[in-house]
Amino acid sequence: DQQVKQNSPSLSVQEGRISILNCDYTNSMFDYFLWYKKYPAEGPTFLISISSIKDKNEDGRFTVFLNKSAKHLSLHIVPSQPGDSAVYFCAAEFTGTASKLTFGTGTRLQVTL
Amino acid sequence: DADVTQTPRNRITKTGKRIMLECSQTKGHDRMYWYRQDPGLGLRLIYYSFDVKDINKGEISDGYSVSRQAQAKFSLSLESAIPNQTALYFCATSDPGQGGAQYFGPGTRLLVL
Repeated sequence: DQQVKQNSPSLSVQEGRISILNCDYTNSMFDYFLWYKKYPAEGPTFLISISSIKDKNEDGRFTVFLNKSAKHLSLHIVPSQPGDSAVYFCAAEFTGTASKLTFGTGTRLQVTL
Repeated sequence: DADVTQTPRNRITKTGKRIMLECSQTKGHDRMYWYRQDPGLGLRLIYYSFDVKDINKGEISDGYSVSRQAQAKFSLSLESAIPNQTALYFCATSDPGQGGAQYFGPGTRLLVL
């Protein structure tokens, strides 16, 4: 039972354009959401997060949007850069379970020149 | 120096062998986690520990055991390795005061023949 789903295994975007990575979840108890970025041969690194009391959080080129009614979140990267090429995981947490994250399967982003 | 280190980085072993993967952190976090990553399945939680005296099973703990030797050290053991334990293993730490963000080590690539 995959509670956090990233239905696009891969995405290719031109440099300078917007990258939109999507994530859906099924458990309405989740109240905190995170995005991680992973390069080959490295561990995932935390990118940005959002609490369920918000619908948007922005950090530089990265913005996360949360639509609770649709149980959907998205990560926008504007403008996309070649260094953004990586695998992106979304993760969800029910803070009542104290920092137990449920991860999606990841989306591989390729930013082309 | 890396905040979360894992040893070894790569390991090849044979079916039935006992192996230990080690994790150390200098972040001073009480909470530590072990995950495995398989292609198409994202990261799945094996065990987690919220302090030295607290050990909890994750969603896929069968065939694994852990030891929390100190606040900074958390080891994962495969008592009798089997081929379907071939995966990428990550250790992570977190601080509840920093939301749900977890900080990952570089991973151990394990191949069980």
